[in-house]
Amino acid sequence: AQSVAQPEDQVNVAEGNPLTVKCTYSVSGNPYLFWYVQYPNRGLQFLLKYITGDNLVKGSYGFEAEFNKSQTSFHLKKPSALVSDSALYFCAVRDLSGGYNKLIFGAGTRLAVHP
Amino acid sequence: DVKVTQSSRYLVKRTGEKVFLECVQDMDHENMFWYRQDPGLGLRLIYFSYDVKMKEKGDIPEGYSVSREKKERFSLILESASTNQTSMYLCASSEAAGQGVSDGYTFGSGTRLTVV
Repeated sequence: AQSVAQPEDQVNVAEGNPLTVKCTYSVSGNPYLFWYVQYPNRGLQFLLKYITGDNLVKGSYGFEAEFNKSQTSFHLKKPSALVSDSALYFCAVRDLSGGYNKLIFGAGTRLAVHP
Repeated sequence: DVKVTQSSRYLVKRTGEKVFLECVQDMDHENMFWYRQDPGLGLRLIYFSYDVKMKEKGDIPEGYSVSREKKERFSLILESASTNQTSMYLCASSEAAGQGVSDGYTFGSGTRLTVV
């Protein structure tokens, strides 16, 4: 069965420092991987995806993610964090079992960027 | 701007009431989903639908039902609301499997339901 794990409940970063939010996955076949962000009392917003090709994927708001097949990881990164990046981040993997296009989400990681 | 619209942002209902949460998408997507989100538990799939009048149970369907009479609308029904159904409910839609590269889901803004 497909699954994703986000090992950190919370990540704390100082503004201006680089940030990493970790995600590992377990899939059969080629993975389709996604990152979403959720601001308080809002729905989830798409950040970026990996389907195939370059292992470094660039997304919205200056975020990028690195796909590493050997480590089965898809960590979210940003070179310089902003206070406004503080939010809840979800990693997800596409699951096509049963012929349905579904996403399986990790538990989420809360990112807190301090001034 | 394409989107998924949930009819209520905040809702307060009494125990035992029948509750309807509505979701409408304008992207002509085949798939629609209802999740609930609780702290520490992430997103849990309640039900999804891959076509009009079709539905499939997700991971936590107990106490819920759904209706999809039109392609653009997917309703979540709490037959008899209970306090343990107090949660954030998120609706999403997506293309059908096999329709090319997918951007995953498009989410609504969520409905925060409180059952008292």
